Amino acid sequence: KAGVTQTPRYLIKTRGQQVTLSCSPISGHRSVSWYQQTPGQGLQFLFEYFSETQRNKGNFPGRFSGRQFSNSRSEMNVSTLELGDSALYLCASSSLPGGNTIYFGEGSWLTVV
Amino acid sequence: AQSVAQPEDQVNVAEGNPLTVKCTYSVSGNPYLFWYVQYPNRGLQFLLKYITGDNLVKGSYGFEAEFNKSQTSFHLKKPSALVSDSALYFCAVRDIGSGGGADGLTFGKGTHLIIQP
Repeated sequence: KAGVTQTPRYLIKTRGQQVTLSCSPISGHRSVSWYQQTPGQGLQFLFEYFSETQRNKGNFPGRFSGRQFSNSRSEMNVSTLELGDSALYLCASSSLPGGNTIYFGEGSWLTVV
Repeated sequence: AQSVAQPEDQVNVAEGNPLTVKCTYSVSGNPYLFWYVQYPNRGLQFLLKYITGDNLVKGSYGFEAEFNKSQTSFHLKKPSALVSDSALYFCAVRDIGSGGGADGLTFGKGTHLIIQP
């Protein structure tokens, strides 16, 4: 059974640009969450999607958005990139929202220059 | 609100000795508790979880954790450490008493585990 797949793995963007990251959850999992990991702030919850609907959202500005498709794949978008957005973005999948079995992907490393 | 504390930034253990990585949590309801491990430049790997039932939870790679409700702790343990256990370990909590974890998982700051040969 394939794990959580995130693309791209590495990318470099310029301040002011926007970026889209993709996540394919484990087959059969319908809930997808996103987390940001930085050395200073650690791991922080961004948002969770289930059935193409955002269920909850962490304390991030509106520049951070996401969506989920009917096949449970999810994308997150960051607009007007800032240097501080440089981070590892992790996607997690579970069978249901608020689930107790949560698996993470390898992450997408974003560097903003 | 939910929170997690990992009081040690780094734990050093000699290979073959037992190891403990500490975690305490705070929730308003009942917790789901997790341990994850992260190797350099990698994502998070699931080690084990506590949902309900037995306070001693066994997980991957010989790790186990003990849930202690009175002390609100969930320490990670292994009887005999391996050099390959050296990595960054994260404890996480989800408060299932507040409507199913509205804030997602809350993670501790992480503990670097260094196993010396």
